[in-house]
Amino acid sequence: GAGVSQTPSNKVTEKGKYVELRCDPISGHTALYWYRQSLGQGPEFLIYFQGTGAADDSGLPNDRFFAVRPEGSVSTLKIQRTERGDSAVYLCASSQTGDGYNEQFFGPGTRLTVL
Amino acid sequence: KNQVEQSPQSLIILEGKNCTLQCNYTVSPFSNLRWYKQDTGRGPVSLTIMTFSENTKSNGRYTATLDADTKQSSLHITASQLSDSASYICVVSAGGSYIPTFGRGTSLIVHP
Repeated sequence: GAGVSQTPSNKVTEKGKYVELRCDPISGHTALYWYRQSLGQGPEFLIYFQGTGAADDSGLPNDRFFAVRPEGSVSTLKIQRTERGDSAVYLCASSQTGDGYNEQFFGPGTRLTVL
Repeated sequence: KNQVEQSPQSLIILEGKNCTLQCNYTVSPFSNLRWYKQDTGRGPVSLTIMTFSENTKSNGRYTATLDADTKQSSLHITASQLSDSASYICVVSAGGSYIPTFGRGTSLIVHP
């Protein structure tokens, strides 16, 4: 595709429910990042994939959050037992490599609202 | 701890005016610094990237400067347009790290 896409664009759920957020990176990009952004804040790192493996998941806030990238392209961020504090915009980014120099291309984000 | 501080937090200017946004960082060892523009409801888009040896880089009406000694960067916007209304985020990468450090951003509003 031309850029990074994320679905859904908006997700409203009730406290305690399970949600999945999907990210389609730019074809050929081996590095994929998930971030969480609250209003008026910069993106907060959650997890980084290099290929199929999670190279760094130190940003995941707790064990309710999990992400996969089984074939090294599409990634899914999974949140169990959602809480109101999980409400935020979840951004996905991809880059050619994960060397910190290559530009990260961001998707439009998924706005998650937990009622 | 690696940190990126931006100022001002928000800024309102009239169309056609210039403005300068500031970024101070404590990321070490320094690798590169990017300025991103984030329109409302969109993901951030890179405007410029600067490495240690570069002290000025332009992208149209956007000019970024870097002082690696004082660990400061600025983004100057010339002849602002309504479409410049956005959040501008300073992002600094450390050498050997794949996780950049993001600032909170400066919210710029350009009024007609």
